[in-house]
Parts: sequence; C-alpha cells; structure tokens
Amino acid sequence: AQTVTQSQPEMSVQEAETVTLSCTYDTSENNYYLFWYKQPPSRQMILVIRQEAYKQQNATENRFSVNFQKAAKSFSLKISDSQLGDTAMYFCAFIRTGANSKLTFGKGITLSVRP
Amino acid sequence: NAGVTQTPKFRVLKTGQSMTLLCAQDMNHEYMYWYRQDPGMGLRLIHYSVGEGTTAKGEVPDGYNVSRLKKQNFLLGLESAAPSQTSVYFCASSPGTGGRREQYFGPGTRLTVT
Repeated sequence: AQTVTQSQPEMSVQEAETVTLSCTYDTSENNYYLFWYKQPPSRQMILVIRQEAYKQQNATENRFSVNFQKAAKSFSLKISDSQLGDTAMYFCAFIRTGANSKLTFGKGITLSVRP
Repeated sequence: NAGVTQTPKFRVLKTGQSMTLLCAQDMNHEYMYWYRQDPGMGLRLIHYSVGEGTTAKGEVPDGYNVSRLKKQNFLLGLESAAPSQTSVYFCASSPGTGGRREQYFGPGTRLTVT
C-alpha cells in the first residue's frame, strides 16, 4: 500500500518570499504520478502541479515548481513570490499507473501568507 | 464547460434520514470518485467508478451506496444518516488511463447530521 506523508502541519511565509512544502511517499511501484492540490478557504480543490515519475525533469507551473527526488521518494513544492491568494491548505497526492488505482492523499499542510 | 458540479452545497439531516448527493461532470471522464474530508484526516475515498454501470468500494464505504447509471453522473446515497457521517463530501472525476490520472474536484457538499 502507498502512503503519503506531510510532516509539517502548518507553515507561514511573508508575501513575495519563497516557501517550500515537503512531502514524502512510500511505494514499491516504479511508474506513478504525483500531484499537489491547493484548497483555499472556499474549499474548492485545485490542481496545482503534476509530475510523472518517469520524467527526470522537475515540473513547473508559473510560480510553482517541484523538487522530485525519486530515489529518496520526496516530492516538495516550491512557491516563489508568494501571494496572499496562496493562503490555503496544500495536499500532496500519489497514484500509481494502471487501471483501478486510487489517489492517496497526505493529510495536508496549512500555508499562511502574511502581508 | 462547468467541470464537476455537486448538488446540494449544504444539507442538514436528522439521524436516520436518507439523502442522495448528485455529482455531474461534463468532461466525458471515465472515472468518478466520492471522498469525504474530515479535520485532520485529509481526503478519504468512499466509493469510485471506472465507467458507466460500474462501482467499487474505497477506503470508507460503510453506510454509503453509489450508482453510476449514466457516464456523466455519480450518485452517493446515505440510507440512514448517522452523526459520524457529518463531513464535507467531494466528488471528483478523472480521464482514467492513457496517462491522464489527475482528478478534478467539485465544490463540495457540507453535510451535518444531528
């Protein structure tokens, strides 16, 4: 069974600065996908970024980038130039390839961006 | 293109009452999911479907039933609500296989059982 661990329950960052959210996972699979989802106070779950395990290049989406370390089973999210709208809960998630596989979520981290 | 929608957004039930949550998606996705979200627990999978007419149990299926009669709809039923089912419920859909495994979520339904 896969597990996803987000060990930091809360973090805080000053507006315009950079913050890194940590995530580790445990799996015996070689092919899988990793995601970061954002859940602002509106409660809507929003996909932030995805990473395919077979790709060595780290994914980037505007101010969001990941540091994917497959051997270490680590998948951290870096948010550059933090904005007040980045205040949210962030979930790391894992899914293996193949039919009937299910998304496994970490418990989330609450990020507060201070003005 | 509305994405994933959920009806209703809020509901209060008395213990023992029944209700159905409706999820609809207009992205022609094969896979659909129901999750519940409780404080400190993250999201837990209740049931899911890999195609029209199919359903399967997730991590916490007890007390819930589902149906997927049409590809675009996925219904979650509570036959006899209990206070332990007070939660926020999310529906999600996914293209399924073929390299597209990300899930797209609805806005959630806040259910309170008194």
